[in-house]
Parts: sequence; C-alpha cells; structure tokens
Amino acid sequence: EPEVTQTPSHQVTQMGQEVILHCVPISNHLYFYWYRQILGQKVEFLVSFYNNEISEKSEIFDDQFSVERPDGSNFTLKIRSTKLEDSAMYFCASSWDRGGYEQFFGPGTRLTVL
Amino acid sequence: AQSVTQLGSHVSVSEGALVLLRCNYSSSVPPYLFWYVQYPNQGLQLLLKYTSAATLVKGINGFEAEFKKSETSFHLTKPSAHMSDAAEYFCAVSDVGGGSNYKLTFGKGTLLTVNP
Repeated sequence: EPEVTQTPSHQVTQMGQEVILHCVPISNHLYFYWYRQILGQKVEFLVSFYNNEISEKSEIFDDQFSVERPDGSNFTLKIRSTKLEDSAMYFCASSWDRGGYEQFFGPGTRLTVL
Repeated sequence: AQSVTQLGSHVSVSEGALVLLRCNYSSSVPPYLFWYVQYPNQGLQLLLKYTSAATLVKGINGFEAEFKKSETSFHLTKPSAHMSDAAEYFCAVSDVGGGSNYKLTFGKGTLLTVNP
C-alpha cells in the first residue's frame, strides 16, 4: 500500500542552525502539506503546495520557512534559522485532490532545537 | 476561522465497552469532517470522513460517526472496544469551497485507553 515517508525520524539541532525535513509523498498525489504538532498542543497547518507553488500558508509559516519540490518526488521543508519554539513533530501529508479527499500523513519528524 | 473542540483529552474504557469520543466544530457552513487515529510512533491514519453525503458514516475498525448539523457535532463511536483501539484520536475539519485549499484544522486529540 502506498505511503508517505519522512526522514529523518528525529532531528536534533542547535538554535540558529538550518534544518531540512524530507518527505516523499505518494507518487500520483498532487497536493502536498506540512503540519506541525508542538508537544501537548494541536496539530497545526503550516503550508499547502500545488502545481509547484505555495497555495496557502499559515501565520506560523514566516520567512524562516520554505518548501520545495526539487525533483518531482521529494517535498522538503526548510527552516533557515531554528528557534527553540520550532521544536515539534512535523508531519508531511499528500492528497490526490482537495476537499473531501483524504490527506495521507507520514509518520512525522521530531525536531528538537537546543 | 474554523475551530474544533474535542471534549476529554483522555478517555478510558473497559474492553468490550462502548467508545464515545466527542467532537464539536464551529463553521458557518457544514464543512468536511474527518477522524484520524494515531498509534504510537506512527503517522495519522484516516478512520472516516463526512463529505455531505450520508450523515452516519462508517469507517475502518468498526468505528462510525454521525454528523449532526443542529448540534455542530461529529462524535465518534464504536460499540465494543478492543485493546488494539488504544491510540490517540483526532477530529479535523476542512473548509468547503470559496477558493479554500482545504487545509485541515485539528482538535487537540483524545487519548483512548482500553483496560482489560
């Protein structure tokens, strides 16, 4: 069964460092998303991506964040200069279409900023 | 803005007992509604969804949920809990139309514990 994969499963970094989180969405999906969950809090939407551009982003997704689909299969989230408050579980998701179509989630990357 | 409220951050039931996990949403129009389950160290897996068809929705693993517009609720039930149901459950809503990109807005989650 196709699935969304994410690497690494756990990333530890120093404050101020850049991190790139990697995702491989399901191959025939067209819509891609990043969400995050700070420990003990809700899963929050960060950004959606379609047709090689950002289609929507949240207030959290400021200039420190960027997304890319570099090669037609990978979907990356970059944080340029990490802050302590960026520590969270980051989930990638993909879907065939919007609306009532299921978003398939990856297992997440736990980011710890020291 | 959409919001989702899940009453009870932790629900504990005995094996074989009814499972009831509550979800209320706020939206000016009926949205799309989803229940996801997360097992330890895994991603979110879709249990079921409501997309304006039948108001009683059946999902995987014997779960079902009923959309009640008058109560703005989408509670998740299962007649008889199994040990394997122990997990965290998330209710989510998605905007409908109007140029929305259908991002999901999640509740805080309910941790279900099943006691033998």
